[in-house]
Amino acid sequence: GAVVSQHPSRVICKSGTSVKIECRSLDFQATTMFWYRQFPKQSLMLMATSNEGSKATYEQGVEKDKFLINHASLTLSTLTVTSAHPEDSSFYICSAGQVYEQYFGPGTRLTVT
Amino acid sequence: AQSVTQPDIHITVSEGASLELRCNYSYGATPYLFWYVQSPGQGLQLLLKYFSGDTLVQGIKGFEAEFKRSQSSFNLRKPSVHWSDAAEYFCAVGPSGAGSYQLTFGKGTKLSVIP
Repeated sequence: GAVVSQHPSRVICKSGTSVKIECRSLDFQATTMFWYRQFPKQSLMLMATSNEGSKATYEQGVEKDKFLINHASLTLSTLTVTSAHPEDSSFYICSAGQVYEQYFGPGTRLTVT
Repeated sequence: AQSVTQPDIHITVSEGASLELRCNYSYGATPYLFWYVQSPGQGLQLLLKYFSGDTLVQGIKGFEAEFKRSQSSFNLRKPSVHWSDAAEYFCAVGPSGAGSYQLTFGKGTKLSVIP
């Protein structure tokens, strides 16, 4: 149980375009999902907390207009990287919270060329 | 504010040897503590967690961890390491507040295993 999926697993996009990453909780309902960014050989950096039916809460320094988060249902949250630039290239990981535990998706490798 | 320190950036052990990964935390109340493992290019998998009760916690893949309140530590151990254990290990503490699932992660310890 407690499986979280992400799609796509890898994406390459051109600079200036937008890309959407989906995070789904497959076998449980998640009122809260988290989006992390991980740079090579570093820990996870929390970007935002996504709450179903309400606006996401962004961490300090994270651009709300660049990283759009939508949590439209209890099983789906999306992260859209708008007007992507090469510096947005990273590994993005989502997680879904359930009773003080978080279950992580497999991650999405974004490369902006 | 809560924090997690993993003092060892990289550890190398021989296959079959014992392993201990260190984790120290700073937290204002009784913490919830977690160890996650991440293989290259993958998400995080929960190895074990401590919420309350017995301070020695058993996890998956033969791992265990011991919560020591007096030392603010939650070290991960395995008696005999397998080559497949080579990965990045993250210690985490939570929650950030009442009703919050937010976790604070350490910077990770990379484990290399010599055959």
